[in-house]
Amino acid sequence: QQQVKQSPQSLIVQKGGISIINCAYENTAFDYFPWYQQFPGKGPALLIAIRPDVSEKKEGRFTISFNKSAKQFSLHIMDSQPGDSATYFCAASWTGNQFYFGTGTSLTVIP
Amino acid sequence: DTAVSQTPKYLVTQMGNDKSIKCEQNLGHDTMYWYKQDSKKFLKIMFSYNNKELIINETVPNRFSPKSPDKAHLNLHINSLELGDSAVYFCASSQEGTGYNEQFFGPGTRLTVL
Repeated sequence: QQQVKQSPQSLIVQKGGISIINCAYENTAFDYFPWYQQFPGKGPALLIAIRPDVSEKKEGRFTISFNKSAKQFSLHIMDSQPGDSATYFCAASWTGNQFYFGTGTSLTVIP
Repeated sequence: DTAVSQTPKYLVTQMGNDKSIKCEQNLGHDTMYWYKQDSKKFLKIMFSYNNKELIINETVPNRFSPKSPDKAHLNLHINSLELGDSAVYFCASSQEGTGYNEQFFGPGTRLTVL
């Protein structure tokens, strides 16, 4: 059973556009929601993370929006660049427990 | 300077063989993990060790056995390899296994079983 559902599976965006990746979860015990970025041939690396006490977190061009009542969160990449082309994973966890990763979104930013 | 290292990077072997993948972290972390990433990029946790003690053991065949000689190392032994074992295996570590700490991933080992 997939604990965290992620969409879309793949995304193509023009340079300068906004990339949006969505995730949904069911387990209300989750209270930590990180996003990981994976470039081809590399391991995933933490990009940005949020706790449910805030509805938004921004770091540079990357923003997480969190909707606790809907049990959804999303990653927005503003002014998308070709260097952002990678696979993005959302994840969820709670204290003392493992990460549950989403199925990944392959982002391609066209110059 | 590599935080989490794995060897080998590529492993090609025949069905039925036994192989090992080594992982080392120099971050001083207490918790280490093994993940399997299949051809569709899905990341699935296999094992988690905290201070050499197994704390997560997801449903994986008992042909897979982790070994942690010390808290900086977590090796993965695979017996009687099958075609379906072909995947990229990632080692990761975190400061604690609380679920809140950033996980640092190694570069991965691409295993191909022929």
